[in-house]
Amino acid sequence: EVQLVETGGGLIQPGGSLRLSCAASGFIVSSYYMTWVRQAPGKGLEWVSLLYIGGNTYYADSVKGRFTISRDNSKNTLYLQMNNLRAEDTAVYYCARVYNWNDGGAFDYWGQGTPVTVSS
Amino acid sequence: SSELTQDPGVSVALGQTVRITCQGDSLRGYYASWYQQRPGQAPVLVFYGKNNRPSGIPDRFSGSSSGNTASLTITGAQAEDEGDYYCNSRDSSGNLVVFGGGTKLTVL
Repeated sequence: EVQLVETGGGLIQPGGSLRLSCAASGFIVSSYYMTWVRQAPGKGLEWVSLLYIGGNTYYADSVKGRFTISRDNSKNTLYLQMNNLRAEDTAVYYCARVYNWNDGGAFDYWGQGTPVTVSS
Repeated sequence: SSELTQDPGVSVALGQTVRITCQGDSLRGYYASWYQQRPGQAPVLVFYGKNNRPSGIPDRFSGSSSGNTASLTITGAQAEDEGDYYCNSRDSSGNLVVFGGGTKLTVL
C-alpha cells in the first residue's frame, strides 16, 4: 500500500528555517517524480516544487531561491528545506507522488499534510 | 508559467449532471488532472489524462478536453460529491506545474 507521511511542520518566526520530511512506503521515491504542494488557510492549492527522477529540481517563483527539494534514497524520503520563511508561506504542506508526467502529470498519492505557521 | 482558470462555484441538484471546466493555454499541449478535496482532508485524484479514472473512483466521474479547455463531468451527482475541485497540469514551459483556482461544488 502506498503511503506518504509528512512531518516537520510547526510554528516558526519570520526569517527562520524549517525542513519538512515526507516518508514514503509502498513504492520507491527515486523511481517517481515527486512534488510539494501547499494550501494557505482558506485558499486553493499552490504548487511549490518538483523533483525529477533524474534529480532536476523546479520551483514556483514564490519560493525560488528560498526552498530546496531533495530526497534521501536510503530512507525513501522526500524533503523540503525552507529558508528565510515569510508570513505568506503559512500553509498546510502536502507531498505527493507524480504519475503520468508525459501527459501532464497527475498527483496520484498525497500525504495528510503538515501545517507550517510563520509568525512572530 | 501559465494559469488555469476555473469557475469559483457551481451547484447541481442531487442526481443531476454537472460539468466543471478548466481553461488555460498549457491545456493545448497537456492533459489536465482533477482533484476532489473535502473540508479538512487532503486532495484526492479523481480523473487524469485522456481518459483515466483511478481505482476506487466512481464511474460517474469522467473527463474530456478540447482546445484549451478541460472538463470534469459528474453524471448523477451524489451528496458526497460536495467539495472543492481543482485542476492542474504542466505549464507551457513543460517544467513547472500549475493549479486552477478551484471550483466549489454544492449538491442541492
